[in-house]
Amino acid sequence: QKEVEQNSGPLSVPEGAIASLNCTYSDRGSQSFFWYRQYSGKSPELIMFIYSNGDKEDGRFTAQLNKASQYVSLLIRDSQPSDSATYLCAVKMKGGFQKLVFGTGTRLLVSP
Amino acid sequence: EPEVTQTPSHQVTQMGQEVILRCVPISNHLYFYWYRQILGQKVEFLVSFYNNEISEKSEIFDDQFSVERPDGSNFTLKIRSTKLEDSAMYFCASSEDSYDTDTQYFGPGTRLTVL
Repeated sequence: QKEVEQNSGPLSVPEGAIASLNCTYSDRGSQSFFWYRQYSGKSPELIMFIYSNGDKEDGRFTAQLNKASQYVSLLIRDSQPSDSATYLCAVKMKGGFQKLVFGTGTRLLVSP
Repeated sequence: EPEVTQTPSHQVTQMGQEVILRCVPISNHLYFYWYRQILGQKVEFLVSFYNNEISEKSEIFDDQFSVERPDGSNFTLKIRSTKLEDSAMYFCASSEDSYDTDTQYFGPGTRLTVL
């Protein structure tokens, strides 16, 4: 059973548009949610995390969490070609477990 | 800005050989992790380490794997007898604590190629 699911993409958006990336998770005990960006051949780079229902904004990025629907999303406003990367959703479960469970990632392509 | 470092960046080995991958976590961090990513697949948790012992491990982390903090700065992953399927990127990560909101910072990775 898959624990964290993401559409693999690619998601193509023009420069300046809003990119919307989605993630669903199966474990209702999941407590916190992280978005990482990964360029090809590189390591995951933290963008932001969220643990409360609702929206959390950081610059051009907004994370949205709906625990009832087991859904988390990342919005990227004013998308730039440099945002082209794979976006990984990672989930940490409650109870002192430290491991991050990753989705397969969504590849984002921003065209100039 | 403090960062996690890993050496080597690329390791090529023959099947059956032992390899040691090295990591220097961020200096004030207390929790250390190893993840791996097989080419084209998702990042997978291997093990977490705190206070000089393993705190959690996955099914992947079998008897062929071990971790150690040999001194105050290094954190190592040893694979005793490598298999072809161990070929992957291995990422070390560290975090200040283990709270639900505590973030893990990843090193640049070691690409392991088993021939």
